[in-house]
Amino acid sequence: QQQVKQSPQSLIVQKGGISIINCAYENTAFDYFPWYQQFPGKGPALLIAIRPDVSEKKEGRFTISFNKSAKQFSLHIMDSQPGDSATYFCAASVEAAGNKLTFGGGTRVLVKP
Amino acid sequence: NAGVTQTPKFRVLKTGQSMTLLCAQDMNHEYMYWYRQDPGMGLRLIHYSVGEGTTAKGEVPDGYNVSRLKKQNFLLGLESAAPSQTSVYFCASSSPVAHSNQPQHFGDGTRLSIL
Repeated sequence: QQQVKQSPQSLIVQKGGISIINCAYENTAFDYFPWYQQFPGKGPALLIAIRPDVSEKKEGRFTISFNKSAKQFSLHIMDSQPGDSATYFCAASVEAAGNKLTFGGGTRVLVKP
Repeated sequence: NAGVTQTPKFRVLKTGQSMTLLCAQDMNHEYMYWYRQDPGMGLRLIHYSVGEGTTAKGEVPDGYNVSRLKKQNFLLGLESAAPSQTSVYFCASSSPVAHSNQPQHFGDGTRLSIL
């Protein structure tokens, strides 16, 4: 049972364009929604995170939009750069239950120069 | 400051062999986790620990055992390796909920192939 579904599996965007990755979750107990960025041969690293009491969070070129009623959240990468080429994972957790992360399947992003 | 260190980085095993993956963290984190990463499936939690001497099962625990004898170390054991355990294994650590906004810090993984 995949509790966090992520789409698309891959996307190609031109430099300067916008990358959008979507995730949907099932467990309404989730209360922490991070996004991780992973480069080849490396472990995932936290990019940005949001809690369900806010609908949007922005950090630099990265924005999370959160829709609690629809149980969906998305990552927007503005002004995409070749250095953003990586695999992105959404995740969700219940912080009071050991903060165990449930990951989406990942999106491989390629930014063409 | 190394963060989370995993050893070995690569390993090839034959079916039925056993081995132990070692994770060490130097951030004094209480929580530690073992995940496996397979194509298209993201990372799935194998086992986790909320403190020294305690462990618990995650989403895919079968065929694995863990131990947390020291706060800084979390060991993952494969009792009898099977080809289905071919994967990339990641260890992570984090602070408890009381120190919220602290992310899970991941190691760079162990690439394990079972022939």
